[in-house]
Amino acid sequence: EIVMMQSPATLSVSPGERATLSCRASQSVGSTLAWYQQKPGQAPRLLIYGASTRATGVPARFSGSGSGTEFTLTISSLQSEDFAVYCCQQYSNWPLTFGGGTKVEIK
Amino acid sequence: QITLKESGPTLMKPTQTLTLTCTFSGFSLSTSGVGVGWIRQPPGKALEWLALIYWDDDKHYSPSLKSRLTITKDTSKNQVVLTMTNIDPVDTATYYCAHRPFRGKYFFDYWGQGTLVTVSS
Repeated sequence: EIVMMQSPATLSVSPGERATLSCRASQSVGSTLAWYQQKPGQAPRLLIYGASTRATGVPARFSGSGSGTEFTLTISSLQSEDFAVYCCQQYSNWPLTFGGGTKVEIK
Repeated sequence: QITLKESGPTLMKPTQTLTLTCTFSGFSLSTSGVGVGWIRQPPGKALEWLALIYWDDDKHYSPSLKSRLTITKDTSKNQVVLTMTNIDPVDTATYYCAHRPFRGKYFFDYWGQGTLVTVSS
């Protein structure tokens, strides 16, 4: 099973600042990596798939990069609605696995 | 517009069998490439993928839970059902169903609101 590790666990950022979130896979997953945003009491929302392709309707301030074992989600200028938990998911190998999440909170 | 909604019991006792239904609209599970998955999230914890069923009735299960899970579909009713046998308090979680959009791509672009299942004696 591929283990997905996210860092940091919590990121404190001021509105308007850039946020950089990391996701690391225990073995290479190529570009088969998705990012989700989850707000309290809500279902996850797909942001990025294929490591760097934004899902429909996702603002351009969200960008994904990386391949192999190291991935990054960047939010270029944090808006109030972006404070949430972000998690990554690999879909290279079975079973599908998710990271533990990074909580982006207001500084 | 794709929507999914989970339904099922909210409170279960240990050793019982859990049956969850996902009722969806906006797509058909008879369309080539389409899939519906189940994912759960214990309170305050990470997401855990459970099972996936495809338009052609192929299925994938989490190896750690495979012996306890069964996923089926009823294309005429636009429903996917997940059963989990011999449940335990550690199975307490919010259970989500979600739409898998592309053949060969195993991520989820639309999710249901989730249903919280509590297992307690």
